[in-house]
Amino acid sequence: EPEVTQTPSHQVTQMGQEVILRCVPISNHLYFYWYRQILGQKVEFLVSFYNNEISEKSEIFDDQFSVERPDGSNFTLKIRSTKLEDSAMYFCASSEAREFEAFFGQGTRLTVV
Amino acid sequence: GNSVTQMEGPVTLSEEAFLTINCTYTATGYPSLFWYVQYPGEGLQLLLKATKADDKGSNKGFEATYRKETTSFHLEKGSVQVSDSAVYFCALSVLNRDDKIIFGKGTRLHILP
Repeated sequence: EPEVTQTPSHQVTQMGQEVILRCVPISNHLYFYWYRQILGQKVEFLVSFYNNEISEKSEIFDDQFSVERPDGSNFTLKIRSTKLEDSAMYFCASSEAREFEAFFGQGTRLTVV
Repeated sequence: GNSVTQMEGPVTLSEEAFLTINCTYTATGYPSLFWYVQYPGEGLQLLLKATKADDKGSNKGFEATYRKETTSFHLEKGSVQVSDSAVYFCALSVLNRDDKIIFGKGTRLHILP
């Protein structure tokens, strides 16, 4: 069964460092998303991406964040200068169409120290 | 704006008990409604969905009916198992309004043997 894969599963980084979280969406999907979940709290939307551009972003997705689809398969989230409060589980998701359900990856746990 | 409200957890039940997790929503337009489940240490999995009023989504013994008149999508299961212990998220998306899924805060369910 097709699935969304994310790497790495866990990343530890020092405050102020740049991190890139990687995702391989399901191959025929057209919409891509990043969400985050601070430990034990709600799942928060960060950004959606369609047709090689951001289609919607939340207030959390400030200038420190960027997304890219560098080739036909990968979808990345970059945080330029990490802060302690960026520590969270980051989930990538993809969907075939906007009205369809999103399929989520297993997540990358980011720990900023 | 669009939002989802679900009952606070944790919910603790004995095996074979009847489960209800309440979910209500506020939406402009016509939302699709979802229940996602997050098992310990794992990502988000779609449990069931309903795309229009009076639709019933079902999967793995869980059911939820899209009630437009009460703006609700309560999750039910007749006889829970220990393996159902997880966090359950009610969610919605509104076609042609949003490019994202909006999640409730999640309800942690503990099933005792």
